[in-house]
Parts: sequence; C-alpha cells; structure tokens
Amino acid sequence: KAGVTQTPRYLIKTRGQQVTLSCSPISGHRSVSWYQQTPGQGLQFLFEYFSETQRNKGNFPGRFSGRQFSNSRSEMNVSTLELGDSALYLCASRGLAGSDTQYFGPGTRLTVL
Amino acid sequence: AQSVAQPEDQVNVAEGNPLTVKCTYSVSGNPYLFWYVQYPNRGLQFLLKYITGDNLVKGSYGFEAEFNKSQTSFHLKKPSALVSDSALYFCAPGGGGALIFGKGTTLSVSS
Repeated sequence: KAGVTQTPRYLIKTRGQQVTLSCSPISGHRSVSWYQQTPGQGLQFLFEYFSETQRNKGNFPGRFSGRQFSNSRSEMNVSTLELGDSALYLCASRGLAGSDTQYFGPGTRLTVL
Repeated sequence: AQSVAQPEDQVNVAEGNPLTVKCTYSVSGNPYLFWYVQYPNRGLQFLLKYITGDNLVKGSYGFEAEFNKSQTSFHLKKPSALVSDSALYFCAPGGGGALIFGKGTTLSVSS
C-alpha cells in the first residue's frame, strides 16, 4: 500500500506571496492532519480534516487554511507569507478510531525569502 | 491541557549498549501515547503506541516502551543500540488527529 505523498517537496517563495501544499493520504484513510515543524517551535498541530470538514484546529493565525476533497486528498494554503512561515510542513493520515496511528508523509520544505 | 516533556535534548550511547529516551506526559483521562522517529530531511516514522492493556509495548526495529501511569512516563527503550538508530525521537500523547509533540531527543549512537 502506498504511503502518504506530499507535493511539492521543496518550495521557495517571497514574503507576501501565498502558497498551496498538497497531501494524498494512504488509500482508505479519510482523516488528514497537518503539522508545522520549525527549529524554534518544534512540531505543532495545524488542523485536521475528515470527510471534507475541519474537525480540529491548532493555534495558528487565519492565514493558514486548509481543505479536503471528496477523494480525501487535502491541501493547505498559507496567504501573505512571512519569514517565520519557513518550515517543514508535514501531512499525516489515519483511520477512523481515535487510537489509530497517524502515518506521515515526507513533508514539504517551504522557504520564505 | 495536554502536554509532554522530553527532558533530554540529546542522548549518547555506545553501539551494543542499552538505550533509554525519556518522556513524561500530562493528559486528562486515559492517554494514547506514541513514539515517532525522524531521520534527517525525512518525515516521521511510527515506532509504537500505547492504547491500553500491557504496560510494556513492543514496536518496530526492536524498540519498546514502558507505560507508567503513576509516574506519567512513557520511556522508549532498546536493549542493544545500533549506529543506524541515530536520529531524532519524538514522544506524542494525543488521540484523534491531533498529536502533541515533545521537542524531541536526538539519539547519537557511536561505534
């Protein structure tokens, strides 16, 4: 079974631009979560989507948004990029039970100049 | 509020020696607890999890973890370390789609 895939793997943007990252979950997984990883703040939860609905949201500004499609693929968008948004963005998918394991993709490395 | 602590930024062990990476947590109710490992420029790989039942959980690559409710700890262990175990390790309580990650512990295994 194929793992979680994320595209693109690397991105370079400038301040003020916006960016869209994509995540394809493991086949059969309907929950997708997003995390931001930075050297200073570590790994932080952004949001979770299930059946095209946001189920949970972390403490991030409204510039960070996401959506999920009917095939469970998910995108996250960051508008008006800031230098501090430079990070590794990780996507994870899981099954339906609360105890189900999240499986992570390789991440998208975003650099904001 | 849920929280997790990994008190050691780095753990150094010699190959063949046992290793322990420490984790303490604070969660309400019965916790789900996870360990993940991250190699450079890679995503996170799942090692093991505690849901309920036996306090000693066995996982991938020979790793195991002991759940201790009274000490609210979930330390990761391996009887004999390998150089290839060198990586960044994360403890994460949580359930559903939102994990709370510790800051991570860098494990360095010397040959």
